[in-house]
Amino acid sequence: DADVTQTPRNRITKTGKRIMLECSQTKGHDRMYWYRQDPGLGLRLIYYSFDVKDINKGEISDGYSVSRQAQAKFSLSLESAIPNQTALYFCATSDPVGTANYGYTFGSGTRLTVV
Amino acid sequence: AQRVTQPEKLLSVFKGAPVELKCNYSYSGSPELFWYVQYSRQRLQLLLRHISRESIKGFTADLNKGETSFHLKKPFAQEEDSAMYYCALRGRGSTLGRLYFGRGTQLTVWP
Repeated sequence: DADVTQTPRNRITKTGKRIMLECSQTKGHDRMYWYRQDPGLGLRLIYYSFDVKDINKGEISDGYSVSRQAQAKFSLSLESAIPNQTALYFCATSDPVGTANYGYTFGSGTRLTVV
Repeated sequence: AQRVTQPEKLLSVFKGAPVELKCNYSYSGSPELFWYVQYSRQRLQLLLRHISRESIKGFTADLNKGETSFHLKKPFAQEEDSAMYYCALRGRGSTLGRLYFGRGTQLTVWP
C-alpha cells in the first residue's frame, strides 16, 4: 500500500462546482502539504499543515481551502472551480525538521480538469 | 527570500553522454538542497540530498556555496534517466521545514 494516497486520481468538473481532493497517509507524519504542478511553473505550494491545529497558506492559496480532519488526512477544496485551476495536484508529507533522512513523500497526484 | 532557479526547461542528450542539470539558489543562510525526480506518470521521489553526499543511480550533486549552485551530474546517461527533475531548497534553522522547488528540467535521453 502507498504511504500517501490521493483520491480521486482523475477528475473532470464544471466551472463553478465545488470539489474536494483527498489525501491520506500512513507515515505517521504531522506535516502535510498541498502543491499544484503546472507545465513550466513547477510545483507551487497551496497550503501546508504542521499538525491538526496548525494550517498555513502557501504562495497560491486564493480559491482554495483545506481541512485537516486527523493527523492522517488532509483535504483540499476548490470552493468554486475555475478553468485556470486545471492542474496536477500533489499531496506530500514530511518528517519533522532535523530528522536525519528529512524529505517529502509524495502522493501519486490528482489530475483535475475544470471545463 | 528563498529562490531556486533551474535555467533549462528541456535538456536532451544521447545515451552514454554526460549530463548536467543546473540548479542555482538564493538564500541568505546555509541551505539544505535536494533533487527530486518524477518519471512518466509516477509520483515525485527523492533522488538525493546534499547533506548525505550520496550517489544515487549514478547521479551526484555538489553544493557550491560560492556559486550558490547544486548541479546534478551523471557521467553516462541512460534512457531510463528520462524524467522531470526538480531541485529544491529547505532553509536550515527554520522551523518551517518547507521545501521550495525550482520549475523543473525535463531530461530526455535518446538511444
